[in-house]
Amino acid sequence: AQTVTQSQPEMSVQEAETVTLSCTYDTSESDYYLFWYKQPPSRQMILVIRQEAYKQQNATENRFSVNFQKAAKSFSLKISDSQLGDAAMYFCAYRINFGNEKLTFGTGTRLTIIP
Amino acid sequence: SAVISQKPSRDICQRGTSLTIQCQVDSQVTMMFWYRQQPGQSLTLIATANQGSEATYESGFVIDKFPISRPNLTFSTLTVSNMSPEDSSIYLCSAQGAVTYNEQFFGPGTRLTVL
Repeated sequence: AQTVTQSQPEMSVQEAETVTLSCTYDTSESDYYLFWYKQPPSRQMILVIRQEAYKQQNATENRFSVNFQKAAKSFSLKISDSQLGDAAMYFCAYRINFGNEKLTFGTGTRLTIIP
Repeated sequence: SAVISQKPSRDICQRGTSLTIQCQVDSQVTMMFWYRQQPGQSLTLIATANQGSEATYESGFVIDKFPISRPNLTFSTLTVSNMSPEDSSIYLCSAQGAVTYNEQFFGPGTRLTVL
């Protein structure tokens, strides 16, 4: 069974600084997707960034980028120029490419932005 | 992207009663899912709502407790039956579209409190 592990229950960063959230996963599949979702206090789940396993290039979305290490099964999220609005729970998630497209989530990291 | 609405947004219920949560998507989608998020926890998949057939339940969840309907490609309901305080959670609906195949969109969630 696939598992997703986030070893940092809480992180904090000064506003305008950079922070990296860690995620590791375990799977025997070769074709899959990885995601980072953000859940602010409003509890709306928002997709931050997506990475296809077959792509070697790391995904980027404005201030958000990932470091995808397929062999190490590692998928970290880097947030640059942190803003107060980035404060939220961040969940790493995994999904195989074909078949049942259900998401498997990690336990989450609560990110606090210090003004 | 798909916009998903849920009703009710929150409810307080008595032990032993049942609550039906509605999920409406603004476009036709291929897959719909129901997740549970217990206080301070990650998301756990309850079931995949299949259009025109019985839902597919994950281990630990049964149809008698969480009956699900999906009468068409844009609508699904989840019923939490014979509720106990342990059912107090946020219930989230998500959908994966035919066009946005690589992304799952989430509704705002229903916060359920059982007394």
